[in-house]
Amino acid sequence: GEQVEQLPSILRVQEGSSASINCSYEDSASNYFPWYKQEPGENPKLIIDIRSNMERKQIQELIVLLDKKAKRFSLHITDTQPGDSAMYFCAASKGSNAKLTFGKGTKLSVKS
Amino acid sequence: NSKVIQTPRYLVKGQGQKAKMRCIPEKGHPVVFWYQQNKNNEFKFLINFQNQEVLQQIDMTEKRFSAECPSNSPCSLEIQSSEAGDSALYLCASSLSIYEQYFGPGTRLTVL
Repeated sequence: GEQVEQLPSILRVQEGSSASINCSYEDSASNYFPWYKQEPGENPKLIIDIRSNMERKQIQELIVLLDKKAKRFSLHITDTQPGDSAMYFCAASKGSNAKLTFGKGTKLSVKS
Repeated sequence: NSKVIQTPRYLVKGQGQKAKMRCIPEKGHPVVFWYQQNKNNEFKFLINFQNQEVLQQIDMTEKRFSAECPSNSPCSLEIQSSEAGDSALYLCASSLSIYEQYFGPGTRLTVL
């Protein structure tokens, strides 16, 4: 089945700097790539996603890039704030109403 | 914010006991997913439904897991004979479109 690799597992940045998380997938049929933010004791929250017909998507300080040829996608958080500290998970799916395959997560810490 | 409702939030069972958890998807969302998130934050897809029909499921070879989504009733996930390794956060997600999945707060199962 599909596998999603996510790096780094731990990321520490200074407030105001950028943070980048990278994911790769194996199945070229994957066509949907969401990102979830999960705070301690909370449920994962969908923060941004990208479909295979796009290469770049931005929502405020969040930027997602997709390189289908390399089978890689990435999340970039610009101007990080302490409130961005959380676990971040990338995922991939193929087809409609399909299961998500998640990466193992990145623990982001933003220090003020 | 997700409006998926999951009950109970916490469930404590002894080994060999049944554990049942419920999920009410967001209103109008026809697709429901169940995932298990273990103590290492790893996600495992279990099963998904469109209305009352199973779309995909893992090979529950142990047959200890069962799930259903009856019409006009909450969806449910039941573990027939709980084992210590079943201790995890069980997350229900629902979807309106063919892609985005929104998670409920989860049921944290502890098997003693």
